[in-house]
Amino acid sequence: DAGITQSPRHKVTETGTPVTLRCHQTENHRYMYWYRQDPGHGLRLIHYSYGVKDTDKGEVSDGYSVSRSKTEDFLLTLESATSSQTSVYFCATQAGSTDTQYFGPGTRLTVL
Amino acid sequence: DQQVKQNSPSLSVQEGRISILNCDYTNSMFDYFLWYKKYPAEGPTFLISISSIKDKNEDGRFTVFLNKSAKHLSLHIVPSQPGDSAVYFCAALSSNTGKLIFGQGTTLQVKP
Repeated sequence: DAGITQSPRHKVTETGTPVTLRCHQTENHRYMYWYRQDPGHGLRLIHYSYGVKDTDKGEVSDGYSVSRSKTEDFLLTLESATSSQTSVYFCATQAGSTDTQYFGPGTRLTVL
Repeated sequence: DQQVKQNSPSLSVQEGRISILNCDYTNSMFDYFLWYKKYPAEGPTFLISISSIKDKNEDGRFTVFLNKSAKHLSLHIVPSQPGDSAVYFCAALSSNTGKLIFGQGTTLQVKP
């Protein structure tokens, strides 16, 4: 447990609205990740960060953007939510590139 | 293109017996493999890992076996306990990319 919190834990929104999910960590880990979990797909990487203001795309990045202005916070933004973005979103942190990733409790997002 | 596959969506075993969860991969560049365990409404937690230079790693009731020639790994839980009931994700890492690729997950139910 790397002291990871995610907010909100649950959110219901409408198609076309912007949504921002927050991940906060207290362990000063360098790397942070956003995944989504969907039935039949496991966890898929959306975006990741290897330092403050250093981010890159994962395998399912379309429709998502991220920002990391502080070590402890990693924000995931859906500029215009679609029903296909209904999912459970997990944040993870990692001290070094080959260290274990620790996951937050998840955010369940429903887009109507 | 699913690089890491868990072909059994679910597994049910009796308490005290062995649970065997399987995982196959296609990318020969993977050099580190991990198992994560996930309870409902929680984030995945790291369980056990194995480097590609080994063929077995044991931690208490949990043992992971790696067959590189077959690109196959398995997680053995002996003896299985009801508290082991969860979703188990296999994940693979290439030190070149540093990114984890997850399988779809297997739901294990251990019956008392």
